[in-house]
Amino acid sequence: GNSVTQMEGPVTLSEEAFLTINCTYTATGYPSLFWYVQYPGEGLQLLLKATKADDKGSNKGFEATYRKETTSFHLEKGSVQVSDSAVYFCASGVNRDDKIIFGKGTRLHILP
Amino acid sequence: DTGVSQDPRHKITKRGQNVTFRCDPISEHNRLYWYRQTLGQGPEFLTYFQNEAQLEKSRLLSDRFSAERPKGSFSTLEIQRTEQGDSAMYLCASSLGQPFEKLFFGSGTQLSVL
Repeated sequence: GNSVTQMEGPVTLSEEAFLTINCTYTATGYPSLFWYVQYPGEGLQLLLKATKADDKGSNKGFEATYRKETTSFHLEKGSVQVSDSAVYFCASGVNRDDKIIFGKGTRLHILP
Repeated sequence: DTGVSQDPRHKITKRGQNVTFRCDPISEHNRLYWYRQTLGQGPEFLTYFQNEAQLEKSRLLSDRFSAERPKGSFSTLEIQRTEQGDSAMYLCASSLGQPFEKLFFGSGTQLSVL
């Protein structure tokens, strides 16, 4: 079946640190991959996505590359800000299933 | 664009009662999804509609749960004979067009079953 596994949190970093949040997927087909973010008090929103192998999704300084050989879609940012504090969800979708499956989420705290 | 709205924001009910939640998607969106989220977990897929047709239901959705989307506009999710294990945040999302276009989420309905 279709599933994603992401690193457990919370992750606590100082401002301007480098961020990596790991995500791996399993799928019977060729999934599209996503990162969604939930800021405090807000609903989930799409951060970035990639639809095929070697694609790189990017937004707001965040990047993730679709790696078919390692079945991974790790989220990275070179220099985090306090405003990046949120819960980040890795997600995947396979056309045959036509729905998006979410990981458990990783809470990120950025200290000033 | 008023976004996806859900009503009510909070619902407290006693075990065994029926509850109904409403979701109003973004007006031109043809796909509508229901998810359930418990504390510390990611959203779990429950069901989805393309226009008025309910295309898939999760195994998580027992026969106490029913969802409708009459006329392909708003949707309702009803839970009959609620149990304490039904306590969760119920999220609605909508999207336009092809699968895996951006999902727009509502703020959710927080259900507490006492």
